[in-house]
Amino acid sequence: DTGVSQDPRHKITKRGQNVTFRCDPISEHNRLYWYRQTLGQGPEFLTYFQNEAQLEKSRLLSDRFSAERPKGSFSTLEIQRTEQGDSAMYLCASSLAPNTEAFFGQGTRLTVV
Amino acid sequence: SQQGEEDPQALSIQEGENATMNCSYKTSINNLQWYRQNSGRGLVHLILIRSNEREKHSGRLRVTLDTSKKSSSLLITASRAADTASYFCWFPQAGTALIFGKGTTLSVSS
Repeated sequence: DTGVSQDPRHKITKRGQNVTFRCDPISEHNRLYWYRQTLGQGPEFLTYFQNEAQLEKSRLLSDRFSAERPKGSFSTLEIQRTEQGDSAMYLCASSLAPNTEAFFGQGTRLTVV
Repeated sequence: SQQGEEDPQALSIQEGENATMNCSYKTSINNLQWYRQNSGRGLVHLILIRSNEREKHSGRLRVTLDTSKKSSSLLITASRAADTASYFCWFPQAGTALIFGKGTTLSVSS
């Protein structure tokens, strides 16, 4: 499968725990995006990378959220001290260049109990 | 970063009917793209129309672009239950993120 891969697909965690999600973009895609989506809403932009550089972060991305793309390939999104409000689908997407189509993964569904 | 605004927010039709949704934007664009999201899944790219194109077809999809009015429309002909999904428009801008609007939720009933 050469699409965007996200792991895990589902995560249930207790409030206060840390969680980390991984995204493997399509090979050679320079741009990588992270989104959060709750039921009935459109995807909310969190952050994006151009290669290994994090170019923009949404104000939604509080200090508890951090994202990395250390070698310009896969990326991780970590949420520290999770809260119930963090429960959502976290989507990752990649594109070859800024003006080209984006490919999305199937998402990681996070449930904080 | 700017985002498109889709209209209507919700649309309900019968199978076999056509569905039209619109997207408006406020800036100059290089191209405009439409995406579909089925419930609980990731988004899927449907079609890209460049700023120098006025109309583009892909299967049952027809997209138009009017750069003078800064608007685009997506027409789905002979809709099917499987077309039930949310539809989003997006246009890339140099140096900015991929930001989506609220989308149009299409419900096709049999």
